[in-house]
Amino acid sequence: NAGVTQTPKFQVLKTGQSMTLQCAQDMNHEYMSWYRQDPGMGLRLIHYSVGAGITDQGEVPNGYNVSRSTTEDFPLRLLSAAPSQTSVYFCASSNRPNEKLFFGSGTQLSVL
Amino acid sequence: QQPVQSPQAVILREGEDAVINCSSSKALYSVHWYRQKHGEAPVFLMILLKGGEQKGHEKISASFNEKKQQSSLYLTASQLSYSGTYFCGTFANTNAGKSTFGDGTTLTVKP
Repeated sequence: NAGVTQTPKFQVLKTGQSMTLQCAQDMNHEYMSWYRQDPGMGLRLIHYSVGAGITDQGEVPNGYNVSRSTTEDFPLRLLSAAPSQTSVYFCASSNRPNEKLFFGSGTQLSVL
Repeated sequence: QQPVQSPQAVILREGEDAVINCSSSKALYSVHWYRQKHGEAPVFLMILLKGGEQKGHEKISASFNEKKQQSSLYLTASQLSYSGTYFCGTFANTNAGKSTFGDGTTLTVKP
């Protein structure tokens, strides 16, 4: 099983550029979420989804968009990258909310 | 509001015990514990549901005091492999699916 797959692993952007971080899971999980982790800090929830077609905002949603057209995929879009968005981004999924989270390997993003 | 973890860091010798605490100001439905090694993704350790349930995983166990909205992670007879940063993640009674994580406790186990 691949589990949760994130691409790319590393990305460098210039201020103002847009991009999409990809996240796919093959476990038929209903719940998926995106977190950012700044150095020495915990995980901050950006957006989450409890099923295809349903998304909601987390703690730090500004500057990010998500959609969930299929159960498997949950892409995260940066609309206009800013240096403050330099961080490591993790995607996670679980069978249902409040259950064990399976994390992807992360995307290290630098915005110059 | 994110849960508060204590201590922020702890250094142990192999074989010593440690306790990591996680406190929330909100009513909680569940508490998760994860361990993250440098440069890697967090890995699930255990989950506790409201009701004061205590769970164990080899020499790592945890408890959840629903009245105080506190959880504690107990690491017994620590091994070198226990080194890493431990995070608690909480799900409140409301906002199902909206988790908040503490800032972590860095555990270093020395030979």
